[in-house]
Amino acid sequence: DTGVSQNPRHKITKRGQNVTFRCDPISEHNRLYWYRQTLGQGPEFLTYFQNEAQLEKSRLLSDRFSAERPKGSFSTLEIQRTEQGDSAMYLCASSLGEGREAFFGQGTRLTVV
Amino acid sequence: GESVGLHLPTLSVQEGDNSIINCAYSNSASDYFIWYKQESGKGPQFIIDIRSNMDKRQGQRVTVLLNKTVKHLSLQIAATQPGDSAVYFCAENSYNQGGKLIFGQGTELSVKP
Repeated sequence: DTGVSQNPRHKITKRGQNVTFRCDPISEHNRLYWYRQTLGQGPEFLTYFQNEAQLEKSRLLSDRFSAERPKGSFSTLEIQRTEQGDSAMYLCASSLGEGREAFFGQGTRLTVV
Repeated sequence: GESVGLHLPTLSVQEGDNSIINCAYSNSASDYFIWYKQESGKGPQFIIDIRSNMDKRQGQRVTVLLNKTVKHLSLQIAATQPGDSAVYFCAENSYNQGGKLIFGQGTELSVKP
């Protein structure tokens, strides 16, 4: 499968714990995006990378959230001290560049109990 | 602020009929648009895209129409099938927003056999 891969698919964690998600983009794609989606809503932009550089972060990305793409390939999204309001689907997408088709992974569903 | 939205939250059609899903956008600088299909528990799936220098683009059973005068986008699905049942999102991209996609709320399409 050469699409965008996200792991894990599901994560249940207790409030206050830290969680980390991984995204492997399509191999030749230099752009990588993170989105968050709650039930009944469209995906909300969190942050994106051009190669290893993080170019923009949404105001939704509080200081408990951090994303990295150290070698310009896979990316990780970490949430520290999780809260119940963090429960959502976290989606990763990649594209060949600005204004190009963005392809999404299947997402990681986070449930904070 | 700038936003992308959909006129109808739900649409129910008979199998074999044509479906039309509408989307309004407000950012006049948007120059690239994508339609996504999202099935329950899955990530958004790319359907078709269109750039602002075009007003129509056709794919397999799908057509996207862009009316820049009234900032309106539509997705037409011909001979709708039960497998088309999903939530459909339009997303906009503009160079003055760094290339990130902004999503609307979505329209749920239900196909009755």
